[in-house]
Amino acid sequence: GEDVEQSLFLSVREGDSSVINCTYTDSSSTYLYWYKQEPGAGLQLLTYIFSNMDMKQDQRLTVLLNKKDKHLSLRIADTQTGDSAIYFCAEEGGSSNTGKLIFGQGTTLQVKP
Amino acid sequence: EAQVTQNPRYLITVTGKKLTVTCSQNMNHEYMSWYRQDPGLGLRQIYYSMNVEVTDKGDVPEGYKVSRKEKRNFPLILESPSPNQTSLYFCASSLGRPYGDVLTFGAGSRLTVL
Repeated sequence: GEDVEQSLFLSVREGDSSVINCTYTDSSSTYLYWYKQEPGAGLQLLTYIFSNMDMKQDQRLTVLLNKKDKHLSLRIADTQTGDSAIYFCAEEGGSSNTGKLIFGQGTTLQVKP
Repeated sequence: EAQVTQNPRYLITVTGKKLTVTCSQNMNHEYMSWYRQDPGLGLRQIYYSMNVEVTDKGDVPEGYKVSRKEKRNFPLILESPSPNQTSLYFCASSLGRPYGDVLTFGAGSRLTVL
């Protein structure tokens, strides 16, 4: 079945780059997403990538997609304390026609000053 | 402001006492969905609706009901809540599904069932 896996925790120093990794199983996924959840808040879409792309850059964010290995990563350059949050990877499409997003468990990013 | 509004944001209730979590969107979106978030499990879809009067089960529908009588509203009903329904619930909407149309999430409703 469809599954998305993420590591649960990442700690970095302010100013360093953060890389959050995600693997998925559905090879027919069409879109892959990164959402950010701050404490007590809903999910905020950070960025998404279409499955025929290898990379997408948006200011401090870089998304890399390796479709062969079903691996997605989110790189945050010059990480700030305001980036501390839970980051969810999600996939959509392929075998499901329900519009459902399959989410990973979420990676808690801790940014130390 | 374009948004998805959920109420209540926090609720503590007891086993068996029926409750409804409301969800309303002001973006004229056709697609609406409910998710629950549990530690270590990410978000899982409960129910979704492609349009008015069209609803269907997601991955974890047991113990829940929904209705979609109007485009803007998609309430989640727990007829007889149980402690295993203690969770953080999110409503989400988008223009249409599937594929690539961005889901907008509400702020979440934290439910505790004693």
